Amino acid sequence: DQQVKQNSPSLSVQEGRISILNCDYTNSMFDYFLWYKKYPAEGPTFLISISSIKDKNEDGRFTVFLNKSAKHLSLHIVPSQPGDSAVYFCAASVVGGGGADGLTFGKGTHLIIQP
Amino acid sequence: KAGVTQTPRYLIKTRGQQVTLSCSPISGHRSVSWYQQTPGQGLQFLFEYFSETQRNKGNFPGRFSGRQFSNSRSEMNVSTLELGDSALYLCASSLGRGAYGYTFGSGTRLTVV
Repeated sequence: DQQVKQNSPSLSVQEGRISILNCDYTNSMFDYFLWYKKYPAEGPTFLISISSIKDKNEDGRFTVFLNKSAKHLSLHIVPSQPGDSAVYFCAASVVGGGGADGLTFGKGTHLIIQP
Repeated sequence: KAGVTQTPRYLIKTRGQQVTLSCSPISGHRSVSWYQQTPGQGLQFLFEYFSETQRNKGNFPGRFSGRQFSNSRSEMNVSTLELGDSALYLCASSLGRGAYGYTFGSGTRLTVV
């Protein structure tokens, strides 16, 4: 049973346009969400996170939106640049209560930025 | 500031053998977690250590084990290797417990033949 789902295995976007990566989750206990970027042969690199008490968090070109009622989050990258081409993982965790159960990851979306 | 260091980077083992992977966290980080990445299952949580104690364990058989030393360095061990254990094993460290600020290493690529 996949608790975090990224339904688009790949996404192609033109350079300069907006990239929107989507993620759905089923576990209502998740209260902290993160996006990671991964290049081949490297470990995931943290991009941006959001707590369940917020519905938006912005960091430069990256914005994460959280819709708790729909159990949906999205990552917006504006404008998209060639260096953004990578696999993006959505992750969720239960942090409240003083501990974490580890990160539950989606299977990733391969973002391809076309010149 | 040095990142998370995992050794070795690549490893080839035979079915039935055992293997030990090592992770040195960022200096000052006390929490170390391990993940397995495979093409079919994606990134899956193995276990988390904090102050030398295993705090949580993912859904993996008992062949997978780990430990953390007083200097926060961690090792994971896989016994009686199976072909399906071939994967990229990633270690992540953070200052404390919780999902905040996980930094991942580059991983150890294990191939079981």
